[in-house]
Amino acid sequence: DQQVKQNSPSLSVQEGRISILNCDYTNSMFDYFLWYKKYPAEGPTFLISISSIKDKNEDGRFTVFLNKSAKHLSLHIVPSQPGDSAVYFCAAISQIQGAQKLVFGQGTRLTINP
Amino acid sequence: ETGVTQSPTHLIKTRGQQVTLRCSSQSGHNTVSWYQQALGQGPQFIFQYYREEENGRGNFPPRFSGLQFPNYSSELNVNALELDDSALYLCASSAGQRQETQYFGPGTRLLVL
Repeated sequence: DQQVKQNSPSLSVQEGRISILNCDYTNSMFDYFLWYKKYPAEGPTFLISISSIKDKNEDGRFTVFLNKSAKHLSLHIVPSQPGDSAVYFCAAISQIQGAQKLVFGQGTRLTINP
Repeated sequence: ETGVTQSPTHLIKTRGQQVTLRCSSQSGHNTVSWYQQALGQGPQFIFQYYREEENGRGNFPPRFSGLQFPNYSSELNVNALELDDSALYLCASSAGQRQETQYFGPGTRLLVL
């Protein structure tokens, strides 16, 4: 039961252009979402987050949009830079027993071409 | 201030064996969560430890067990290893149980033959 889905395994974008990564979720109880970036041989690092009370959050070159009615969020990176090449994971916070856990999508490998 | 560290970085085991993976949490963090990331998939929650007690568990069998020590470091133990246990095991630490501000270690890559 994949509650968070990233349907594009890979994305290739030219340097300087906009990268758009998409994520869909099925559980309407999710109320907080995060994007992580992962380089090889490193753990995921937090990039940006959004609460369900907002529809947009911006941090420098990174903007996350949330469409609750469509259960869809997207990460926009503009302008894209070579160092942005990594695997990007979308995640939602879910309550489980006494803990909070992250429910991750499958990831999208972003490649920025010079 | 050191980040989250994990040991070993790589490990090869055979089916039926047991393995122990270790995680040192970031200074000041009292909560550790463990995740399994299979090839081509996102990380999946195994369990979480808060102040030395397990306080949440994902859909993993009992042969996956853990410990948290008074210094908040943690171990993940897997008994009776199966081929499907081959994965990257990530631990993440946070100050408190909220997951918005957790930091991941680099992971331990386990290969079961």
